Amino acid sequence: AQTVTQSQPEMSVQEAETVTLSCTYDTSESNYYLFWYKQPPSRQMILVIRQEAYKQQNATENRFSVNFQKAAKSFSLKISDSQLGDTAMYFCAFTQGGSEKLVFGKGTKLTVNP
Amino acid sequence: GAGVSQSPRYKVAKRGQDVALRCDPISGHVSLFWYQQALGQGPEFLTYFQNEAQLDKSGLPSDRFFAERPEGSVSTLKIQRTQQEDSAVYLCASSLTSGTLYGYTFGSGTRLTVV
Repeated sequence: AQTVTQSQPEMSVQEAETVTLSCTYDTSESNYYLFWYKQPPSRQMILVIRQEAYKQQNATENRFSVNFQKAAKSFSLKISDSQLGDTAMYFCAFTQGGSEKLVFGKGTKLTVNP
Repeated sequence: GAGVSQSPRYKVAKRGQDVALRCDPISGHVSLFWYQQALGQGPEFLTYFQNEAQLDKSGLPSDRFFAERPEGSVSTLKIQRTQQEDSAVYLCASSLTSGTLYGYTFGSGTRLTVV
């Protein structure tokens, strides 16, 4: 079975500091894609960052970066210089090569404090 | 349209009532997906269309759930004889072709409450 585990139900960080959200996943496939999505109270899922499993280089998008450890099946998200607007639910997800189905974790609620 | 539009935003249904949830994807997007998000959980896949063809309906929880996309654009998710366990946010997403390659755009969902 394909599963995604986010072990931190809630996290908080002070504005301008750095926070890391954890994610582990389980798949027997070698070709897959990993995602972090942000869900603010508006409920719309917004893509934060995406990583192809065949790429060894960690993806980065401005203040957001990942630490992808393929052997450990770990895909953590680092948010630098946290801003109040980063407050949201964060979901880790993946799709397997050839499948369009996203498998999500249960999410981490991140609060950025002023 | 500029984004994925879902309606209604909120729906309250009495147990046993039928409901229809609408998704209007981004114009030209071939792929369309429905997800169910229970309170405090991550979204779970329900079904997937490519144009008007329903390619995967493995996530539909029972035969009370039915989805269609007859002209390959707007999609409707219908739930018959609603039960309390159907209470959730129903999210729709669309993609140009492959979501893994081109990205998924999500709507803001319909929050269904069954009383």
